[in-house]
Amino acid sequence: DAKTTQPTSMDCAEGRAANLPCNHSTISGNEYVYWYRQIHSQGPQYIIHGLKNNETNEMASLIITEDRKSSTLILPHATLRDTAVYYCIVRVVNRDDKIIFGKGTRLHILP
Amino acid sequence: NAGVMQNPRHLVRRRGQEARLRCSPMKGHSHVYWYRQLPEEGLKFMVYLQKENIIDESGMPKERFSAEFPKEGPSILRIQQVVRGDSAAYFCASSPARNSYNEQFFGPGTRLTVL
Repeated sequence: DAKTTQPTSMDCAEGRAANLPCNHSTISGNEYVYWYRQIHSQGPQYIIHGLKNNETNEMASLIITEDRKSSTLILPHATLRDTAVYYCIVRVVNRDDKIIFGKGTRLHILP
Repeated sequence: NAGVMQNPRHLVRRRGQEARLRCSPMKGHSHVYWYRQLPEEGLKFMVYLQKENIIDESGMPKERFSAEFPKEGPSILRIQQVVRGDSAAYFCASSPARNSYNEQFFGPGTRLTVL
């Protein structure tokens, strides 16, 4: 799986949009971008994934650049409960194998 | 539909004892993954199992650790002769056999403390 680069930590005010960047310049054509998060002391939680088109679900939006070398996870209206470590991962879909977690971004939502 | 269940949630063992961690995957899921998270560190893959088969154990320590996923019952991660360095959170994840989105669903974890 390709490596990703994320900022170590970020702050965001409650109620504002949280934009979490991720660089994956060596991504392959058959690799998707996945986002997971881990709230303190809990198991990781799947958020969203995409290949090249922008994606949106009830939790977040994923914006992938046209060259696919970077992406941004957007939490539109951050709440205190969104404080967590966010992991950006690139993986081949339709292949059952391990997730390789990096260090992620520690997002602090400020009241 | 109940999520992935792990028990116990907290486990305390003395050095040299055995630890058994259990994982019940989501209903209909036949693939199980174990991950370990040492204090203040990231999640590391340990082993991937399908029913009665170990598919990938590249992250398992060579000694004292074993895993199984029998035809009936939960998946078990077994640590023999525990040492203080085994203290960590152990997470289990499951996925269905046909997993077109390659999504894994994680349990709440078992926190192992070795005294």
